Amino acid sequence: GNSVTQMEGPVTLSEEAFLTINCTYTATGYPSLFWYVQYPGEGLQLLLKATKADDKGSNKGFEATYRKETTSFHLEKGSVQVSDSAVYFCALTPNQAGTALIFGKGTTLSVSS
Amino acid sequence: NAGVTQTPKFRVLKTGQSMTLLCAQDMNHEYMYWYRQDPGMGLRLIHYSVGEGTTAKGEVPDGYNVSRLKKQNFLLGLESAAPSQTSVYFCASNLQGANTGELFFGEGSRLTVL
Repeated sequence: GNSVTQMEGPVTLSEEAFLTINCTYTATGYPSLFWYVQYPGEGLQLLLKATKADDKGSNKGFEATYRKETTSFHLEKGSVQVSDSAVYFCALTPNQAGTALIFGKGTTLSVSS
Repeated sequence: NAGVTQTPKFRVLKTGQSMTLLCAQDMNHEYMYWYRQDPGMGLRLIHYSVGEGTTAKGEVPDGYNVSRLKKQNFLLGLESAAPSQTSVYFCASNLQGANTGELFFGEGSRLTVL
């Protein structure tokens, strides 16, 4: 079946540190991959996405590359800010019409100044 | 600029009571989804709809019913609430399905069942 595995948190960093949140997936076919972010007290928002192998999604200084050979979609940011503190969800959807997103369990990031 | 609106935002129920969560979107989206979010479990899909008048089961449908009588509304019902249904519920929508684009989420509805 389809599933997403994320590194467990919480991840605690100082401002300007480098961030990596690991995400691997299991899927049949060629899924689309996403990172969503949830700020405290809010719903989820799309952060970035990639729809085919070797695509790189990027937004707000975050990046993730779709690696088919390692079935991974790791999230990175070169210099985190306090405002990046949130829960980050890796997700996939099989490339079939009518299917829903399958989420990982989420990774909590806490950035201190 | 409403987007996806969920009501109520908070509710406390006693075991056995019933209630309905309402999700409304003003973006003319075809697809709508109900997820629940529990600590350490991430988001799990309860039910979804691919258009007005349609519904389908997700990963954890037991104990819930849904209806999509109007395109803009997607209702989630609990007929006989149980403590295991204590959770934060999120509604989401998008235009062409999760494989094609961004899901837009509501702010969540926190339900406590005593």
